[in-house]
Amino acid sequence: EAGVAQSPRYKIIEKRQSVAFWCNPISGHATLYWYQQILGQGPKLLIQFQNNGVVDDSQLPKDRFSAERLKGVDSTLKIQPAKLEDSAVYLCASSLGTGVSNQPQHFGDGTRLSIL
Amino acid sequence: GQQLNQSPQSMFIQEGEDVSMNCTSSSIFNTWLWYKQDPGEGPVLLIALYKAGELTSNGRLTAQFGITRKDSFLNISASIPSDVGIYFCAGLTDSWGKLQFGAGTQVVVTP
Repeated sequence: EAGVAQSPRYKIIEKRQSVAFWCNPISGHATLYWYQQILGQGPKLLIQFQNNGVVDDSQLPKDRFSAERLKGVDSTLKIQPAKLEDSAVYLCASSLGTGVSNQPQHFGDGTRLSIL
Repeated sequence: GQQLNQSPQSMFIQEGEDVSMNCTSSSIFNTWLWYKQDPGEGPVLLIALYKAGELTSNGRLTAQFGITRKDSFLNISASIPSDVGIYFCAGLTDSWGKLQFGAGTQVVVTP
């Protein structure tokens, strides 16, 4: 079974520029998650999709971050404009569905973003 | 929001020793998960716990779901060099699958 695919692996941009990340979840997984992992911390959920609908985006800084999953499969996460504090690893995860019976979440290897 | 307190923050142990780490919370969780993250990779699930009091093993790993549902621990027996990495606990509180992660325990194993 192919895992969660993310690209790019690394991205370096200057502050105030924009950046986009892509995620392809495990085939058949209805739920997709984007996490932000700052160095030395655990992952923090940014947004959760169930198929192409948003389940939870309470921790997404909506003034600069946006995400979409138009066809209920692939997803993109965008930051515009980027700030220095956005430097982090952005992890995508997927699971069969929501709730206890549809765990666990499987993670991709992430995109490491550095803001200069 | 809820906060998971994971300890210790780091551990330096000799090969062959046992490792123990734990997570506590002021809130109740329905599920506890333990992940390991290697440098440059995403977290990989080690053990999932679904019931209070549950004790589950996966090879040299053993984890328990605390009876109060507010804590969990992970033990690694007879550590080997490939056990090096960061171990995260994660708790699930609701039916929507929103995980809360601890800050991680960094394990370093010396020969």
